[in-house]
Amino acid sequence: QVQPQESGPGLVKPSETLSLTCNVSGGFMSGYYWTWIRQPPGKGLEWIGYMYSGGTTKSNPSLKSRVVMSIDRSRNQISLHLSSVTPADTAVYHCARGAICAGDCDFIDFWGQGTLVTVAP
Amino acid sequence: DIQMTQSPSSLSASVGDRVIVTCRASQTISKYLNWYQHKPGKAPKVLIYAASSLQSGVPSRFSGSGSGTDFTLTISSLQPEDFATYYCQQSYSIPFTFGQGTKLEI
Repeated sequence: QVQPQESGPGLVKPSETLSLTCNVSGGFMSGYYWTWIRQPPGKGLEWIGYMYSGGTTKSNPSLKSRVVMSIDRSRNQISLHLSSVTPADTAVYHCARGAICAGDCDFIDFWGQGTLVTVAP
Repeated sequence: DIQMTQSPSSLSASVGDRVIVTCRASQTISKYLNWYQHKPGKAPKVLIYAASSLQSGVPSRFSGSGSGTDFTLTISSLQPEDFATYYCQQSYSIPFTFGQGTKLEI
């Protein structure tokens, strides 16, 4: 069973960079994409972006150019960096694996439990 | 961005009930529609992908249908472990977007 596990600081100051790591166990990284999704308290899910194991990335235009994602296949790790954070970036951040198959098929098959990041002075 | 609208936003039901959750996309998404179950403090879990394909290991009481803009998730006979929040998600175009969620309560 593939298990993504997020880690990182629980508190980040406004204007700083939020940095999270996702360690993946139980499966291969290649052949899938890796995605970050967040959920602000009391709100719905927001897609942040994805990265293919080969390095191709796409991010949510709403986050403009604040998102940087990277992948370290040798360590089975994915990283997220979100710069210039504000309190609006307070959320539970999930790392997850995406799968594409034939027939209109593109879905997230394994999610991490998520880690809460609070942006406050 | 494609907007996903779920209804209802919350639903009270009993064990054994048949429950239907609907999801409407603001533009056509073919069958690029997925359903997830989320319980507090747990990792979300995919139930249905490509509108109607049941993910491996998911009980057959869950089913999905639809294409284009209108989709449904049906739970044929609610079990105690099904009380959770359900989200639809479109993977047709970037940015991927989710419905606002349907909280299923006893």
